[in-house]
Amino acid sequence: NAGVMQNPRHLVRRRGQEARLRCSPMKGHSHVYWYRQLPEEGLKFMVYLQKENIIDESGMPKERFSAEFPKEGPSILRIQQVVRGDSAAYFCASSFLNQETQYFGPGTRLLVL
Amino acid sequence: QQQVKQSPQSLIVQKGGISIINCAYENTAFDYFPWYQQFPGKGPALLIAIRPDVSEKKEGRFTISFNKSAKQFSLHIMDSQPGDSATYFCAAWDNTNAGKSTFGDGTTLTVKP
Repeated sequence: NAGVMQNPRHLVRRRGQEARLRCSPMKGHSHVYWYRQLPEEGLKFMVYLQKENIIDESGMPKERFSAEFPKEGPSILRIQQVVRGDSAAYFCASSFLNQETQYFGPGTRLLVL
Repeated sequence: QQQVKQSPQSLIVQKGGISIINCAYENTAFDYFPWYQQFPGKGPALLIAIRPDVSEKKEGRFTISFNKSAKQFSLHIMDSQPGDSATYFCAAWDNTNAGKSTFGDGTTLTVKP
């Protein structure tokens, strides 16, 4: 009866490296959402995915960021050539079908040195 | 353009007091309004939610009051306890733009013993 799982919980990268954040939704959930939370700020929507499809990526920065949710395996949020401004907590949420009730994971805290 | 405005940014309440957090929205297409509770280092957890066809919803010590004409809704925490100390986020969901929740910036609640 596991909830939404995210790993790693903490990730340290140097400027210019790549960051890969993973999210395994709750069992039976096929909809995944990624949010970014900057220090002392709220959650900002980034992208909404279903299995093998990106439904809404209106919150994703146009460059360096990409997301996928393959048929098998976790959803991946990928940040290429990280910069210090990418330092934030990244949360994944999942839902059953397209429902308003979203269940959040514990987040991945990315620190870019 | 911030579609959901939350206030206050921080709130200090004595144990046993009432905590009140307010949110205002602009988009009349929003049709589901959840509140999330987030403890440090954790992901947000759904606390209580309301739809605009009702003016109030109560679950235990937590009550949402909803004013559709004013486009405002608020969270009331009765008999506040130190364990309620957390960050609270209001959110709004638009079924015509499904998959994207818009969050307020959060309120940090501290309940003093």
